[in-house]
Amino acid sequence: GEDVEQSLFLSVREGDSSVINCTYTDSSSTYLYWYKQEPGAGLQLLTYIFSNMDMKQDQRLTVLLNKKDKHLSLRIADTQTGDSAIYFCAEISAGRDDKIIFGKGTRLHILP
Amino acid sequence: DARVTQTPRHKVTEMGQEVTMRCQPILGHNTVFWYRQTMMQGLELLAYFRNRAPLDDSGMPKDRFSAEMPDATLATLKIQPSEPRDSAVYFCASGPGQGKTEAFFGQGTRLTVV
Repeated sequence: GEDVEQSLFLSVREGDSSVINCTYTDSSSTYLYWYKQEPGAGLQLLTYIFSNMDMKQDQRLTVLLNKKDKHLSLRIADTQTGDSAIYFCAEISAGRDDKIIFGKGTRLHILP
Repeated sequence: DARVTQTPRHKVTEMGQEVTMRCQPILGHNTVFWYRQTMMQGLELLAYFRNRAPLDDSGMPKDRFSAEMPDATLATLKIQPSEPRDSAVYFCASGPGQGKTEAFFGQGTRLTVV
């Protein structure tokens, strides 16, 4: 069945770049998403990329998609303490009745 | 300001009791998801509804969990009987469907079973 995998934890020094990686199994994915969850809150959409793109940049965020390897990454430049959160990779595929598949989430910890 | 509303926000109950969590999806959304989040397992999909029909509940322990949508404005998740291992944060999310669809999440229900 469909699956989205990501590591559970990542530690990065403040000011460095954070790179959160994700792999997925469904080759017919149409949209891929990154969600952010701050402490005590629900998940909120951070950014998304259409499957026919290979890169999307939005201020400090860069999303890279390697469709051949089914690999998605989120790069956060100049990581700040406010970036400390759980980041979820997710994807949706046409013909799957609008069901979004989420990864388990990567907890980003910022070191001073 | 459209949002997904979940009640209660917090619930503490004794083992063996029935727990009912409620979710009001955003008006007009036709997809509803129930997720469970724990530190050890991360986010897990429990159930998925589209146009009020349950399309996927494979992630849900069938012997004690049940999910329903009695109408388009209410989704419920019940646990009977509850067990300590059910302690988690339960999220409801809804989406407009139609292909490209963002899921909008509620604030979650933090359940503690003692």
